[in-house]
Amino acid sequence: GESVGLHLPTLSVQEGDNSIINCAYSNSASDYFIWYKQESGKGPQFIIDIRSNMDKRQGQRVTVLLNKTVKHLSLQIAATQPGDSAVYFCAEYSFMEYGNKLVFGAGTILRVKS
Amino acid sequence: DSGVTQTPKHLITATGQRVTLRCSPRSGDLSVYWYQQSLDQGLQFLIQYYNGEERAKGNILERFSAQQFPDLHSELNLSSLELGDSALYFCASSVVGAVNSPLHFGNGTRLTVT
Repeated sequence: GESVGLHLPTLSVQEGDNSIINCAYSNSASDYFIWYKQESGKGPQFIIDIRSNMDKRQGQRVTVLLNKTVKHLSLQIAATQPGDSAVYFCAEYSFMEYGNKLVFGAGTILRVKS
Repeated sequence: DSGVTQTPKHLITATGQRVTLRCSPRSGDLSVYWYQQSLDQGLQFLIQYYNGEERAKGNILERFSAQQFPDLHSELNLSSLELGDSALYFCASSVVGAVNSPLHFGNGTRLTVT
C-alpha cells in the first residue's frame, strides 16, 4: 500500500536537544517533498518542503535533508521544545494522468521530555 | 490556522446511513483534495478536484463521491456506511495546479459509524 499506518516509530528526546526524524520514500521519480506535523485533534500542518534539485533546505529551527541516491529524507529540529511533540509525516508528490496527489509516509511520533 | 474549514467536526451515524462532509478551501486556492485517516491505514488519498473538475482519484470506494462547486467549496458524500468507514476525513487545498506547492489541511471531520 502507499501509506502504512501501523505501529508508528517513536522518538523521545530531551527538551533542548536536537531531533532527527527519518523517512524513506518510494518513488525515484518524485521531485517534491514535504514534511508535515500533526498534533492531536488537528490536521497535518505544513513545516517545510524541498525540491529534488536541492539537498538541503533550512527553515526556522528546522532543516530538511534529501538524499536522492538512497531515497531518504530527514527532518532535523534544533533545540526541541515541548510544543514540538506531535506526529511527523513526510510526503512525496506523485503525478497522475490529469492531477496529482501527496503520498504520505506512516509517520513518526516525537515525544519531548521536559 | 490553515484557512481550510471543514464541517462538521464530529459526526456519529449508524451503519447504512449517508452523510455529507463539507470543505471550504483557502481563499484563492482552486484545488481541493480529500484524505481519509484511520489507525491502520494512515493518511490515504481519496480524490482531487481542480476548479470544479475531478482530476485525480485514489482509493476511493464506489460508495463515496465528491464534488466541487462553482464557489470552490467541496463536499464528500459517504453512503451505505459501514463500521470500517469510521475515520478522520481531511480536506486540503492548494494553489492553482498544485504542482510543487504544499497542501494546506483543515482540522478534519471525525466520523463514527455505529
